[in-house]
Amino acid sequence: AQSVTQLGSHVSVSEGALVLLRCNYSSSVPPYLFWYVQYPNQGLQLLLKYTSAATLVKGINGFEAEFKKSETSFHLTKPSAHMSDAAEYFCAVSEGGGGADGLTFGKGTHLIIQP
Amino acid sequence: DAGITQSPRHKVTETGTPVTLRCHQTENHRYMYWYRQDPGHGLRLIHYSYGVKDTDKGEVSDGYSVSRSKTEDFLLTLESATSSQTSVYFCAISETTGVGYTFGSGTRLTVV
Repeated sequence: AQSVTQLGSHVSVSEGALVLLRCNYSSSVPPYLFWYVQYPNQGLQLLLKYTSAATLVKGINGFEAEFKKSETSFHLTKPSAHMSDAAEYFCAVSEGGGGADGLTFGKGTHLIIQP
Repeated sequence: DAGITQSPRHKVTETGTPVTLRCHQTENHRYMYWYRQDPGHGLRLIHYSYGVKDTDKGEVSDGYSVSRSKTEDFLLTLESATSSQTSVYFCAISETTGVGYTFGSGTRLTVV
């Protein structure tokens, strides 16, 4: 069985500061890993994904994440926060290479940007 | 999102009544999923489908049933709605498992 733990249900950073959202996973098979963003009253938008290629993955809106197998982590970062980054962020895992049973999500981290 | 539509977008229903939510896709993707989103729980998988008439249970399937008679439509039915099923429901589609998932805009269901 696979699972995802997101550390911190709420993270607050100042505009222009580094954004770091933490995600640790467990999986019995090589995982595919995803970060999604959800703005208020909207659906989920894919930020980036890791599918066993390069371990440093670049996504949209200046976000990137690094897959670290030894740490079972896939933390999301952005060098300089913008007010428009305020949203809910979800880390998710699926079994790589097969299995129809979809994504397993973390509980989410609410990112707050202080002016 | 382009290619995937959920209906209705909002619904209020009474306890004990049946409710059906619809997910429609125009992408001809094989895999379809229903999730529910609740504060503090993230998204949890209810049911999924890997082809026409091929469905299976997810993590929180009790009280829900699904049907997929056509590639493009995946229906979620609450046979007898309860207040614990008040939630936001998301449909997702995928062409190839594990690689990419596209989510609909969600259905906000309130059971009173």
